[in-house]
Amino acid sequence: DQQVKQNSPSLSVQEGRISILNCDYTNSMFDYFLWYKKYPAEGPTFLISISSIKDKNEDGRFTVFLNKSAKHLSLHIVPSQPGDSAVYFCAASELNNDMRFGAGTRLTVKP
Amino acid sequence: EAQVTQNPRYLITVTGKKLTVTCSQNMNHEYMSWYRQDPGLGLRQIYYSMNVEVTDKGDVPEGYKVSRKEKRNFPLILESPSPNQTSLYFCASSPLGRSVGGFYEQYFGPGTRLTVT
Repeated sequence: DQQVKQNSPSLSVQEGRISILNCDYTNSMFDYFLWYKKYPAEGPTFLISISSIKDKNEDGRFTVFLNKSAKHLSLHIVPSQPGDSAVYFCAASELNNDMRFGAGTRLTVKP
Repeated sequence: EAQVTQNPRYLITVTGKKLTVTCSQNMNHEYMSWYRQDPGLGLRQIYYSMNVEVTDKGDVPEGYKVSRKEKRNFPLILESPSPNQTSLYFCASSPLGRSVGGFYEQYFGPGTRLTVT
């Protein structure tokens, strides 16, 4: 039973526009949420995170929004760049170091 | 350079032939974990370890073994591989527990693509 779901396997956007990647979760005990980015032939790398006590966290072009009542989080990339093309994984943690991952969304940013 | 290394990066083997995938980290992390990545399923945890000689099952431990005899190494052992273990495997590490007001993100190795025929 997947506790973290990314329902869009892929997303294509034009360079300079906004990319919005979505993630839903079922476990209300999750208290920390992360986004990882993965390029081909490499391991996932940490991108941005948010604690459940916040509803927004921003880091440069990347912003994560958390809606706890809807059990939904999203990653906004503005403006999108071709180098952002990768697979993005949403992850959530309930305690300590354990994380549950979504299936990933492949983002393609077209020049 | 802080990193997690895995070997081999690619492996093709036959059913039933024991294999070991090594994982090593140079960051003195207590926590280490193995994941497998499959299409449509994301990353699923196989085993994890919170310190030397302390290991525990993740969500999909069947058919796998691990050991943690040294802090830096966390090998994954498939004693009798089967085709359903064909997957992309990642090792990861992090400090143990939670940082003050935050979370220790995990650092991932480059992955090992395993094919079992």
